[in-house]
Amino acid sequence: DQQVKQNSPSLSVQEGRISILNCDYTNSMFDYFLWYKKYPAEGPTFLISISSIKDKNEDGRFTVFLNKSAKHLSLHIVPSQPGDSAVYFCAASAVPGGGNKLTFGTGTQLKVEL
Amino acid sequence: NAGVTQTPKFQVLKTGQSMTLQCAQDMNHNSMYWYRQDPGMGLRLIYYSASEGTTDKGEVPNGYNVSRLNKREFSLRLESAAPSQTSVYFCASSAGLGETQYFGPGTRLLVL
Repeated sequence: DQQVKQNSPSLSVQEGRISILNCDYTNSMFDYFLWYKKYPAEGPTFLISISSIKDKNEDGRFTVFLNKSAKHLSLHIVPSQPGDSAVYFCAASAVPGGGNKLTFGTGTQLKVEL
Repeated sequence: NAGVTQTPKFQVLKTGQSMTLQCAQDMNHNSMYWYRQDPGMGLRLIYYSASEGTTDKGEVPNGYNVSRLNKREFSLRLESAAPSQTSVYFCASSAGLGETQYFGPGTRLLVL
């Protein structure tokens, strides 16, 4: 049972345009959400997070939106750059800050083309 | 500042062989974790250690054992490797159980 779903295995975007990565979850107890970025042959690196008391969190070019009623979150990257090409994992937890119960999605491969 | 380091980077085992994956962090973190990543499955938690001296099972602990050797080091042992354990293994650490996790570069394991 996949509690965190990333239904798009891949996404291709032109440099300078917006990238939108989507994530859906089924567990209504999840209240903290994170995005990780992963390059080949490297471990995932933390990108941005959001708690359920917010519906938006920004960090530079990265913005995460949370729609609790729809159990949906999205990561917006504006403008997209070639260095953003990587696999992006959505993760969720029922413990504030993630803790030991981090549940990951299957990832979306983003390719930013020149 | 190396962050989280893992050894080896790549290993091939025969079914039934044993091996230990090593993980060390230099960030003075209290909590450490072992995940495995399989195609189409995301990252799944195998075991974690909330603090030195404690370990707990995660989502997929069967076939594995762990040791929190000290605050810096957290090892994962496969006593009798099986082809189903072919995967990429990631170690992670965090300041505490409520904090952001930082990952190592991974160990790619192939069990024949």
